[in-house]
This record gives sequence, structure tokens and C-alpha cells, in this order.
Amino acid sequence: QVQLVQSGAELKQPGASVKLSCKASGYTFSNYDINWVRQASGQGLEWLGWMNPNTGRTGYAHKFQGRVTMTRNTSITTAYMELSSLTSDDTAVYYCARAITSWFRDFDSWGQGALITVSS
Amino acid sequence: DIQMTQSPSSLSASVGDRVTITCRASQSIATYLNWYQQTPGKAPKLLISASVNLQSGVPSRFSGSGSGTDFTLSISSLQPEDFATYYCQQSFATPLTFGGGTKVEIK
Repeated sequence: QVQLVQSGAELKQPGASVKLSCKASGYTFSNYDINWVRQASGQGLEWLGWMNPNTGRTGYAHKFQGRVTMTRNTSITTAYMELSSLTSDDTAVYYCARAITSWFRDFDSWGQGALITVSS
Repeated sequence: DIQMTQSPSSLSASVGDRVTITCRASQSIATYLNWYQQTPGKAPKLLISASVNLQSGVPSRFSGSGSGTDFTLSISSLQPEDFATYYCQQSFATPLTFGGGTKVEIK
């Protein structure tokens, strides 16, 4: 079955960077875009960007441009999302999600989420 | 950015009730509208894509409709497992944006 397994929770200092991983299994990794979405405690969902695992092509929300980098390692079917210059506003649960289609960007499978806490 | 406005933000309903949640886009998004269900501590679950397409395994009591700027998610007969928060998401343009959520609570 399709599975996305994310790396664990992290505590980061303000100004630091965090790199999250998302290990895909149960399907052909290269065939579906991976997106990243975050959710602050008690809040709604916020999209950070997407990556095509086949080409490595990415697209980022302009809010995160310059701070976010999405990459992948196809040999181990893993996607990564690095977010830099962290502030307390970045404290949230971060999800990776597979898009079934590139045009409707409908996310049918999600990772379990990784809580990133930014605090001194 | 396209703003997605859901209403109501919360509602109380009983098992067996029909529930309707609306989502309005700040500009036309054709049918580039997806619906998700989220329970506490869990990742969202895709219910409906492209405004009307029910995902495999999702009960038929869920349905979606709409195009342009106005969309609706309906639950024909609310079940205990349906008490959750529901989000709409537009995929017409980046950045992809979500509605603020509708929390469905037990009356």
C-alpha cells in the first residue's frame, strides 16, 4: 500500500534550519509530485510547495521563496524539505503529501506529520 | 493569492442529519477544488477531488458540487465517524490555498 513515512519531531533554535525527510513506498516514486503542507497548532493548512521526483523540478509558495528547498533521492525514494532562518512562526506540524494528479493537485496520501518546534 | 472562505466555521449536528458546508473562492477556479477531512492528531484525508469526484473508499453519503467560485460539500446522513474538521483546497493556481476549516461537532 502507498505509504509516506516522515522523519521525527525536532526542536530548533531561532535562525536555524531544519531538513525533513519523507520516505515513499508502495508506488513508483517518480510518477507523482510530492507536496509539503504545514499546520500550526489549532490552525488551518498552509501549502509550502511541490517537487516532481522525476525531474527534480520544484515550485514554492512565494511566502517561502528563498527559505525553502525541496529535493529528493530517487535511489531511496525519499523526498526532503529544508526550511531555513526559522522563527517561532514556523512552529507547526509539517506534512508531505502525494498528489494523484499534477493538474488537480489532489493529495491522496499523506505522511504522519513531523512537529517542528522553534524555540530558544 | 486566491482566498478560500468556508462557512460555517463550526456547526453542531446530530447523527443522521444532513450537513452542508460551503466554500467560496475569491476568483473563479473552475472545478479545481478538493475537499479533505481531518480528525485530531491525524493527517488530512482526501474525500473529493475536482469538485465532484468521490475518492475510492469514501462513503457515498459524501458528495461535492459547484464550479467557478461557489462549492458545496454535503453529508447526507451524518455518522459518528464524520465528526471532524473539513477543509477545501483550490488547485487552480499557486500558491495552493485552503479554506479555514469547518469543524463538525456532535449536538
